[in-house]
Amino acid sequence: KQEVTQIPAALSVPEGENLVLNCSFTDSAIYNLQWFRQDPGKGLTSLLLIQSSQREQTSGRLNASLDKSSGRSTLYIAASQPGDSATYLCAVRPGYSGGSNYKLTFGKGTLLTVNP
Amino acid sequence: GAGVSQSPRYKVAKRGQDVALRCDPISGHVSLFWYQQALGQGPEFLTYFQNEAQLDKSGLPSDRFFAERPEGSVSTLKIQRTQQEDSAVYLCASSEGGPAAFFGQGTRLTVV
Repeated sequence: KQEVTQIPAALSVPEGENLVLNCSFTDSAIYNLQWFRQDPGKGLTSLLLIQSSQREQTSGRLNASLDKSSGRSTLYIAASQPGDSATYLCAVRPGYSGGSNYKLTFGKGTLLTVNP
Repeated sequence: GAGVSQSPRYKVAKRGQDVALRCDPISGHVSLFWYQQALGQGPEFLTYFQNEAQLDKSGLPSDRFFAERPEGSVSTLKIQRTQQEDSAVYLCASSEGGPAAFFGQGTRLTVV
């Protein structure tokens, strides 16, 4: 059974700092990995999706990397801003064809606070 | 609508009550998913619809949970005889196909 772990569980940084969030997964047979943002009382917003054949994806100040063989992904946030404060979740999609490869397995998330 | 819409946003139920949670997916989206997110946890898969067909209900915690999507658009998640452990945020998501792509804001259920 796939297990996804995110560390740290919570992180507090001053504005302007660069930071890294970590995600690890136990089964490397994934189709893709996705990073989501969740604001209090709101749903999930997809930030970046990395296919299993890719090493990284970038969007603005966000960069996500994937090392499938070692079961790890990182989300790098450059020049953090108070508006980045949220919970960041990573989720993996299984790589096997057919069956239930539509099920996403999520980590518990990292609660990020960026202080002005 | 522009996004996935869920109602109500908040629901407080007394233990033993039945509740119904509604999801309006993005128009035209074939796939619809329900996830349950307990406090401090990541979302966990409950069930999956393709149009009106419920293809996977393996994540439903017990037979008190029932989901339907009779016309292939709006879906309802029903929980009978609610218990305290049912307290969670229930997230609905839809996509044109494949896994969940667009999530609603969720319904926060509190069972007292």
